[in-house]
Amino acid sequence: EAGVTQSPTHLIKTRGQQATLRCSPISGHTSVYWYQQALGLGLQFLLWYDEGEERNRGNFPPRFSGRQFPNYSSELNVNALELEDSALYLCASSLTGNLDTQYFGPGTRLTVL
Amino acid sequence: KNEVEQSPQNLTAQEGEFITINCSYSVGISALHWLQQHPGGGIVSLFMLSSGKKKHGRLIATINIQEKHSSLHITASHPRDSAVYICAVLTSGSRLTFGEGTQLTVNP
Repeated sequence: EAGVTQSPTHLIKTRGQQATLRCSPISGHTSVYWYQQALGLGLQFLLWYDEGEERNRGNFPPRFSGRQFPNYSSELNVNALELEDSALYLCASSLTGNLDTQYFGPGTRLTVL
Repeated sequence: KNEVEQSPQNLTAQEGEFITINCSYSVGISALHWLQQHPGGGIVSLFMLSSGKKKHGRLIATINIQEKHSSLHITASHPRDSAVYICAVLTSGSRLTFGEGTQLTVNP
């Protein structure tokens, strides 16, 4: 069974540009979560999608947004990139959003120059 | 004060030693995860606990809900156990709040 996949592996952008990160959950999983791990900081919760709806959001500005498609894959968009957005972005999926184990993808490393 | 505190931050052990990593939290939780992160970023979920104790191979995780404390134990540690171990608590809205991690190095 394939795990959570993310693309691209690495992404380099300049300040002010937009970045789009993609995540495919484990087959059958309906919940997708996004996390940010900035250098020197711990993991922080960004967004949770379930059944196509945004269910919860962390303490991030509105320029961090996303969506979940009918096939449960998800996209994270970061607009007006800032240098401090450079981080590892991790996606996780779970069977449902109710106390199920979250399985993590390999991450996308975003570098903003 | 962070909602999730881990100790120690860094731990160096000799192969074969018994290792304990501790996690304390200050919020109400639905469950607690122990995660393992290897260099390069990949994260593996080791356990999800809401009560009691779980064992998988050489790894044991316990949680005391009343004391808001969890421990991860590694028996007969091995150099391949070297990684960052992260405690994360699941709160309302399926939101994971993470500890800062414990860097474990096991020397041969």
